[in-house]
Amino acid sequence: DAKTTQPTSMDCAEGRAANLPCNHSTISGNEYVYWYRQIHSQGPQYIIHGLKNNETNEMASLIITEDRKSSTLILPHATLRDTAVYYCIVRVPPGAGGTSYGKLTFGQGTILTVHP
Amino acid sequence: NAGVTQTPKFRILKIGQSMTLQCTQDMNHNYMYWYRQDPGMGLKLIYYSVGAGITDKGEVPNGYNVSRSTTEDFPLRLELAAPSQTSVYFCASSYNRDYEQYFGPGTRLTVT
Repeated sequence: DAKTTQPTSMDCAEGRAANLPCNHSTISGNEYVYWYRQIHSQGPQYIIHGLKNNETNEMASLIITEDRKSSTLILPHATLRDTAVYYCIVRVPPGAGGTSYGKLTFGQGTILTVHP
Repeated sequence: NAGVTQTPKFRILKIGQSMTLQCTQDMNHNYMYWYRQDPGMGLKLIYYSVGAGITDKGEVPNGYNVSRSTTEDFPLRLELAAPSQTSVYFCASSYNRDYEQYFGPGTRLTVT
């Protein structure tokens, strides 16, 4: 599996954009980049995913570099409720690595603290 | 839709006791998963299921068993509980193997 590297923690002021980086320099051509977050004591929540192109949904934007070795999750207007651990995950496609499902490997993630 | 629901929310077990963690989803998802999360760590996959009647081991299956008799339910059985099984357990589901996973609120289990 491609490994990911994320900063341990980040701070962001409420109302400002939060930019969370992720390095995945060993990513394979068919592996997707997924982002999940986990608010304290809750189950992980899916945010967004992408393969090559930049993606945007109602929660966030995902910017993937052209060489796909890194990506950035952008929360455009962070609120206090966005304080959470954010996980960048490179997802092994079904069938690869001997699994019949798209394996998600959760690492340590980035603790994002949004302050007033 | 309630999404993914888990019961109980909290449980304390004595060493050697057994219990079943319940998981139900109402999204008609084919795939279901059980993860555990130890304090300060990421999630690790215990078991998964690709449909009713079909289950398979994940990364850390020892000490656990699962069954999938219906699309909606995916219970996790702990036999002979050990302190090493103290953890938070999350159930998740997805429509298909290529789709995102939706997680339940978790069950906090302490084995003493």
